[in-house]
Amino acid sequence: EADIYQTPRYLVIGTGKKITLECSQTMGHDKMYWYQQDPGMELHLIHYSYGVNSTEKGDLSSESTVSRIRTEHFPLTLESARPSHTSQYLCASTRGGARDGYTFGSGTRLTVV
Amino acid sequence: AQKVTQAQTEISVVEKEDVTLDCVYETRDTTYYLFWYKQPPSGELVFLIRRNSFDEQNEISGRYSWNFQKSTSSFNFTITASQVVDSAVYFCALSPDSNYQLIWGAGTKLIIKP
Repeated sequence: EADIYQTPRYLVIGTGKKITLECSQTMGHDKMYWYQQDPGMELHLIHYSYGVNSTEKGDLSSESTVSRIRTEHFPLTLESARPSHTSQYLCASTRGGARDGYTFGSGTRLTVV
Repeated sequence: AQKVTQAQTEISVVEKEDVTLDCVYETRDTTYYLFWYKQPPSGELVFLIRRNSFDEQNEISGRYSWNFQKSTSSFNFTITASQVVDSAVYFCALSPDSNYQLIWGAGTKLIIKP
């Protein structure tokens, strides 16, 4: 049973729409991460958070934004979706840091048409 | 520099063959952790193993085994008697003690043909 949940699993949306990808975890982990990944390709860190009200941009520039109002919830928002945003988005969390390994959600596959 | 290199982009073998996935890392930290993750076609990343820099013992788990060699900065992964269900993309990752983030390799796509 998954302890980190991402919804929706698949999303097809038109250009210009605003979307929010949800990520929630029930493990009480402080550290959460968003990755963008084209199928089978490298993972690119786009956002991370080390606790409530703490968010940082990752290595890959992204037009998305995130918020961390509650420990368990780390949503990612695209204000105006574009075809270049078509990708898989993976959410992960860890308690003590990367040394403990990450737990990943099942991902959201986004297609912008 | 901190880096993970998985030089094999794609490997294709016939079922029941043994296969080794290579991982070479770079870090100046003396304490660090190494990981392997599996990503099946469903897309989720599944944790396989964690190894810290002070433990060079090889590990075996069923058909899976890992060879950690600090002298060559390598952490290779071997699947014995491969099965079609092993088909996936496998990622090696490094966590230096000074960092809360994982440094990922580019992944190796493993195709097991029946």
